[in-house]
Amino acid sequence: NAGVTQTPKFQVLKTGQSMTLQCAQDMNHNSMYWYRQDPGMGLRLIYYSASEGTTDKGEVPNGYNVSRLNKREFSLRLESAAPSQTSVYFCASSDTGTGGFYEQFFGPGTRLTVL
Amino acid sequence: KNQVEQSPQSLIILEGKNCTLQCNYTVSPFSNLRWYKQDTGRGPVSLTIMTFSENTKSNGRYTATLDADTKQSSLHITASQLSDSASYICVVSADTGRRALTFGSGTRLQVQP
Repeated sequence: NAGVTQTPKFQVLKTGQSMTLQCAQDMNHNSMYWYRQDPGMGLRLIYYSASEGTTDKGEVPNGYNVSRLNKREFSLRLESAAPSQTSVYFCASSDTGTGGFYEQFFGPGTRLTVL
Repeated sequence: KNQVEQSPQSLIILEGKNCTLQCNYTVSPFSNLRWYKQDTGRGPVSLTIMTFSENTKSNGRYTATLDADTKQSSLHITASQLSDSASYICVVSADTGRRALTFGSGTRLQVQP
């Protein structure tokens, strides 16, 4: 039971290049999320998928696209990378708990540098 | 705008000592508050989740308190260990149906031998 896995762990891009960050979970969760974490700031939600087949924008969606490939997998794509997208990216998953609250389980992160 | 403020930003304590981390929030309508531990180079891991009706919750040597009236929470760590060195993040959930979490920027704790 691996939980939430992310690939790659590290990536260096040049400005304008594209790439896709992969995320998979084996906990049979309905919801999945992509966050970015910048120094001195809290995690910020980029996109989320409440259930298979649906996606929605979070707080900072500009410059990103997502695909909920199936219940297990949720990918994040940078079409034309910019230095401002240098960050650590975390994928998370959750299901709906009782009482309307839910616990999110995070992957190990992808450290992305855009030159 | 929903906000979560944590203090101090960083803290150094000696192994075996206790410490308390603070969290103030302005998130409405409030659903729940959680504390996460994030080791360097890893993803956050949940320590506790508290709803409006809970004012204390423990997880081993970690005890979280919540005062929903003053919108404050604290995380108390007793008998600290070297493995407690990490960032501790306060996260507040708004009951908006959009599963929106507001994250604090964290307190970086360093436990020294």
